[in-house]
Amino acid sequence: AQTVTQSQPEMSVQEAETVTLSCTYDTSESDYYLFWYKQPPSRQMILVIRQEAYKQQNATENRFSVNFQKAAKSFSLKISDSQLGDAAMYFCASPNYGGSQGNLIFGKGTKLSVKP
Amino acid sequence: NAGVMQNPRHLVRRRGQEARLRCSPMKGHSHVYWYRQLPEEGLKFMVYLQKENIIDESGMPKERFSAEFPKEGPSILRIQQVVRGDSAAYFCASSIGYEQYFGPGTRLTVT
Repeated sequence: AQTVTQSQPEMSVQEAETVTLSCTYDTSESDYYLFWYKQPPSRQMILVIRQEAYKQQNATENRFSVNFQKAAKSFSLKISDSQLGDAAMYFCASPNYGGSQGNLIFGKGTKLSVKP
Repeated sequence: NAGVMQNPRHLVRRRGQEARLRCSPMKGHSHVYWYRQLPEEGLKFMVYLQKENIIDESGMPKERFSAEFPKEGPSILRIQQVVRGDSAAYFCASSIGYEQYFGPGTRLTVT
């Protein structure tokens, strides 16, 4: 079965510093997508960044970047120059290729706190 | 281009009542997904619909829960005879590919 695992329930970072959130996954697909979503206190799910597995280059969106290691099935999110507004729950997700290929499978999330 | 709309944002029901949650997908999106989020947990898939069709309802409880996405109008998630365990945030997402865009969610509280 396809799985997504986030092993860090909580993380903390000092404002302006860098933090890395971990995610591992398991899939039998050779080409697939991976996503990081942010859920602030408003609870709105916001897509932060996406990675296509066939692309060698790690995805980057402004201060957010990923470290995608396909062989290790690892997909970590790096947040540089952390800001107070980055405080949120972060969820790693992957499409359910074993099912109807529509729904996303989410990890349990990492709660990120940013200290001023 | 308006995002995914959900209403109501908050819904309070007494045990035994019915809850109806509505979702309007983004313009041009024909795929709708419903997810449930219990406190301190990630989102869990419930059902995947296209216009007038249920594609995958493998995540939805067999009893009391139903979903539809009619030709006209929003998608509806219906929970009959609600129980306290149904209290959760219910999110709708729409897509035209693998990338899904989420609505703000409906927080259901069963008293």
